[in-house]
Amino acid sequence: EDKVVQSPLSLVVHEGDTVTLNCSYEVTNFRSLLWYKQEKKAPTFLFMLTSSGIEKKSGRLSSILDKKELFSILNITATQTGDSAVYLCAVEAWASGTYKYIFGTGTRLKVLA
Amino acid sequence: GAVVSQHPSRVICKSGTSVKIECRSLDFQATTMFWYRQFPKQSLMLMATSNEGSKATYEQGVEKDKFLINHASLTLSTLTVTSAHPEDSSFYICSAQTSGIQETQYFGPGTRLLVL
Repeated sequence: EDKVVQSPLSLVVHEGDTVTLNCSYEVTNFRSLLWYKQEKKAPTFLFMLTSSGIEKKSGRLSSILDKKELFSILNITATQTGDSAVYLCAVEAWASGTYKYIFGTGTRLKVLA
Repeated sequence: GAVVSQHPSRVICKSGTSVKIECRSLDFQATTMFWYRQFPKQSLMLMATSNEGSKATYEQGVEKDKFLINHASLTLSTLTVTSAHPEDSSFYICSAQTSGIQETQYFGPGTRLLVL
């Protein structure tokens, strides 16, 4: 059974801290791994990772994929209160002639001022 | 853990036909379900919030007469794309939300719609 597991489930930090969010997966016919930030409405796309070992970076956020060990991490440096959100990891996989998503349940991050 | 399924996973239809997509929470009851549409570059747009036993709440710009949502039970919400056109071709994802102190959304695997 395909699954995506995120850890920790929730995290409380202070502004300026660095956090690392984890996403491990067991998926058949892996295509890509995606990270989203969800605040209120729809999840906002952050990164799409397809190759191992290549770090993707956007401002204070960065992410990397390890396809051998089947996990990805999302790093946020110098956290701000605006980073408070649920961070979702999703794996895109091929199945029955189309692709599907397997989402993790998310890591709930709260950044205190 | 909680599982949400969608059916069908893929559908191809002719322009002008209606297509129904089901979203089921398999092992929990969900008073609230959400329907998303995927756009290029992996972005997800919230289309509507589906509440069991009441009318769905549609986001601005989403035609409620075109995208009919029914949440008839605590485990099932359906999205019907009426008179589908090629521009409706997309990937539709639903999520179901648990209730309680900390609400968690569980996402379905998505449905690929191709309108010819």
